[in-house]
Parts: sequence; structure tokens; C-alpha cells
Amino acid sequence: GAGVSQSPSNKVTEKGKDVELRCDPISGHTALYWYRQSLGQGLEFLIYFQGNSAPDKSGLPSDRFSAERTGGSVSTLTIQRTQQEDSAVYLCASSLGMGNQPQHFGDGTRLSIL
Amino acid sequence: AQKVTQAQTEISVVEKEDVTLDCVYETRDTTYYLFWYKQPPSGELVFLIRRNSFDEQNEISGRYSWNFQKSTSSFNFTITASQVVDSAVYFCALSEARRNNNDMRFGAGTRLTVKP
Repeated sequence: GAGVSQSPSNKVTEKGKDVELRCDPISGHTALYWYRQSLGQGLEFLIYFQGNSAPDKSGLPSDRFSAERTGGSVSTLTIQRTQQEDSAVYLCASSLGMGNQPQHFGDGTRLSIL
Repeated sequence: AQKVTQAQTEISVVEKEDVTLDCVYETRDTTYYLFWYKQPPSGELVFLIRRNSFDEQNEISGRYSWNFQKSTSSFNFTITASQVVDSAVYFCALSEARRNNNDMRFGAGTRLTVKP
């Protein structure tokens, strides 16, 4: 389809392992966002990419979290040395890149840390 | 700093009732954008509406209507004649135009349950 695609849809891993979450935005969308949604909670902004500009990493909760966006398209969110509190749904969204444009969300990756 | 407050954590209504979801925002900007998103049980957030700060006209789309009032910094969402399929978590969000990073701040969400 033409929507935002995230993989995997579910990820279960042991505490201390590294994980990589992938987001494939809508073609032509220059802006890409990562959010975290803990169970029953709202959306927590993590990081934002816009074109070739330096990403806004102000929402990343610790230095264990990092993200890349290669070629202005696909993005990978990496969590190193996972902790149980990292368990959440990680949502990716893309938009046409201006503040007045709605964001289109993927289905998310449900991450469970044992 | 921008902030969005959705004071209603959960609302439960019976089908065909009208229901209003409240959203109050804080911003120092004169130019900003407000959004509502719906997150059904399936999990994917669905965009519902966008308003800019210069347009205070209320909007109606079918059973959905939005009341934007700058005087009270509110952007409330009303569903008339609610249906079971309206059951979802609804998020209000704010984006400030002056920010280069365009990050959107979401409220905590309101879980709406419509019972048959």
C-alpha cells in the first residue's frame, strides 16, 4: 500500500539486547517522526527528520536511543541495551514537512522487553 | 512551551448520545495548527482534522464537529448520534509554526467507549 510501513509489527527480546525498528514513510514525504506510546498513555515525541537537515533529537529519552534516516527515506530507530521500561509501541509518522501538514502514522511496532 | 491538555481520560456513552471531547492548549505563538486524531482498537492513528490559528470557523463533517475558540484556547470535538464504531482513543495535538523542527505535541488522549 501507499501508507507508512513499519517492521517488525511485534518484537520480543531479552533485557540488555539491542533492537532495530524500521520505518518506511510515504513516498514524497520529507518529514519523518518517531513516537513512543506506552500502554494506555499518550504519544511521546522521540525524534524528527526533515529533509537533509540535522534531526531534532530532543525527545530521545537516553543515549541508548538513536535513529538514522538514510537517503531521505527509510528510517531505523535503534535501542541499545534494552531495559524493561523500553516496552511500548513505537510509532512512525511521515508528512509533507511543514507544520500545518497532518502526519500519517504507521501501525507501530510493539516492543516487549522480558 | 507548547502543551495540550485533554482532561477527560475516559468517557462512556450509550449509542446515539452526543459526546464532546475537550482539548485545551497552551502556546506563545500566534501562528499554530491544531489537529485531532483517532486511534481505534486496531492501533493506527487516523488524521481527522487540522485547523490553523487564524481560522476560528467551526467545522462540521457528518456527525463530527469541531469548536475552535481562541479566547479559551480550546479546540473541542463533538460527535453527534454516537455509534459503536466511534469507540477509540482520540488525541488532540498542537504544532507551532515558528518551530523549525515541526514536532507535534499530543495530549494524553481521551478513551471513548460507545455502548450499544
